[in-house]
Order: sequence, then structure tokens, then C-alpha cells
Amino acid sequence: GQQLNQSPQSMFIQEGEDVSMNCTSSSIFNTWLWYKQDPGEGPVLLIALYKAGELTSNGRLTAQFGITRKDSFLNISASIPSDVGIYFCAGQDPPGGSNYKLTFGKGTLLTVNP
Amino acid sequence: DAGITQSPRHKVTETGTPVTLRCHQTENHRYMYWYRQDPGHGLRLIHYSYGVKDTDKGEVSDGYSVSRSKTEDFLLTLESATSSQTSVYFCAITSGPTNYGYTFGSGTRLTVV
Repeated sequence: GQQLNQSPQSMFIQEGEDVSMNCTSSSIFNTWLWYKQDPGEGPVLLIALYKAGELTSNGRLTAQFGITRKDSFLNISASIPSDVGIYFCAGQDPPGGSNYKLTFGKGTLLTVNP
Repeated sequence: DAGITQSPRHKVTETGTPVTLRCHQTENHRYMYWYRQDPGHGLRLIHYSYGVKDTDKGEVSDGYSVSRSKTEDFLLTLESATSSQTSVYFCAITSGPTNYGYTFGSGTRLTVV
């Protein structure tokens, strides 16, 4: 089946630093998504990317859909303590019989020291 | 709120007993999914539904069954719970082509002893 390799597995940073994480896939996806999960809650969608090469921002977050359609990265600028959590990348199957299934990376655990 | 609730939020059960988890949505979305989350594995798809009475297996479906008799409810049953099924279970919904990505429930933490 499809696999997503997400790195790094965990990060410990100081407040104010920038963060970068990425995801690579063994196969092509039509849509890349980035989620954040707070403790005890379900993942929440941060950014969705629909086209190869697309660069999208949401506040301090910036994500890109790789040209090859097999990778994506997420950057967080000027981190703050509430950025703590687990970040997941996800690739969505192409339409046409896929039933919109998502394949998730294993997550990046982000810790921000005040 | 997103209109998706999971019950129960926590459950402890004994090995060999059947367990049913419920996902309820008020969004009238067609697609519903059950995932499990384990350390080192991320989120893995168990089963999903693309309509009432229409379900299919995901990548880790062994030992699980599902049912969807109405749009708003998607049930996940562990037929005979094992310790390897100790996990956090998440339900997710999407409307499909007009709503990329999912909305997740808050999860059910299941412990099998």
C-alpha cells in the first residue's frame, strides 16, 4: 500500500524559532493536507494543497505541494507555545473510486520551550 | 462545532469480549471513516463507508466489523477484543468533492485488559 515518510519524528525548539517538517511518498497524490493534533483531541486541518507546485499560507504556517506530487513540506514561523502538538501530513487518493481515503504520515511531535 | 461525536470517550474491556464504538454526525456527510492511532504508526484506516449500507475495508481491518444503517451513525465493532486492539480510535467524516480533508471526532480511548 501507499506509505508516507514524515520527518522529523520529533522536534524540540525555543519559542520564536522557525520549524520545518516534510513528507515524502512512494506514490503520487492529488491532494496534500496538513493536520495538527492537540492532546486528547482529534486532528484539525491546517492547510490543504490541490496543485503540484502550489504554495499556501495560513497565518504563520506555509505549506508547499511538491512538483513531483510525491512530497510536501510545512513551515511554521516564529513558533509560540500553543504550536505544541503532533503534526500530520496526509495524501488524498485521486478521485474516481477512491472514496476520498487519506493516507497519513506517522506525525511530527513538536515541543516549544517558552 | 463540527457535528461529529464519538461514544464512549473512554472504555476498558476484557480480552475476548465484543465492543462497539459509535460515531454520530449531524452534517449529513456521505463518507465516514474509522482510524486507529498508535505510537509509531500514526493514523491507520480500519474501515470506511461511502453511503448507507456501503462499507469497505481499510489497511488494518482484521478483527473489526462496521455497520451503517443510517447516514448519521457509523458503528465499529471489535468482535472479540484483544490486547493488540488497545488504541485510540478516531472517526472522521467528509462530504467528498466539495470538502477536501476530513473532520475528526475527539476519539475513543480503548483499553483491552
